[in-house]
Amino acid sequence: NAGVTQTPKFRILKIGQSMTLQCTQDMNHNYMYWYRQDPGMGLKLIYYSVGAGITDKGEVPNGYNVSRSTTEDFPLRLELAAPSQTSVYFCASSSSRQGGTTGELFFGEGSRLTVL
Amino acid sequence: GENVEQHPSTLSVQEGDSAVIKCTYSDSASNYFPWYKQELGKRPQLIIDIRSNVGEKKDQRIAVTLNKTAKHFSLHITETQPEDSAVYFCAASNTGGFKTIFGAGTRLFVKA
Repeated sequence: NAGVTQTPKFRILKIGQSMTLQCTQDMNHNYMYWYRQDPGMGLKLIYYSVGAGITDKGEVPNGYNVSRSTTEDFPLRLELAAPSQTSVYFCASSSSRQGGTTGELFFGEGSRLTVL
Repeated sequence: GENVEQHPSTLSVQEGDSAVIKCTYSDSASNYFPWYKQELGKRPQLIIDIRSNVGEKKDQRIAVTLNKTAKHFSLHITETQPEDSAVYFCAASNTGGFKTIFGAGTRLFVKA
């Protein structure tokens, strides 16, 4: 299994541009998440999904959009990029059991985004 | 919503000494408390977790304790080694686990 795969690994954007960070997992996990990690800071939850067609906001959703059309894929869309969105973005997934997820998050390798 | 605070932000210990990292959480509904280790430039990886029906859990040199009444939990690393140097994150989530909220992290340096 490849686990959680994110692309691209690095990207530089100009202010106002848009882009999509791709995330796919091959573990058949129902739950998927997007986090951002600013230098010296913890991980902030942007959006999460509990299954295909279902998404919800996390702690810091402004400026982002997501969709979940399949179990495997959970892309993150940045509209009108701003310098404040310069960060490392991590996609993660977790498995489910009766009553909810097991809890352990499996992370991708991260995508480093710089907005200039 | 849930808020997780973590202390200290930086910790430096001599090889062989113990290291303790402490976290507090705000949401009494939280019942799952994982700890992640992130090496420089790498992804976070789970090292140990504890659920609210357990007070302590140990795995070789690492252990986690949980005090639900006080809403705090701690990570203990004994006999530290240079390869333990990394950033450690505590986190909390509820039964659904849909929103895992992280602390700000502790950068641990183990000096040889």
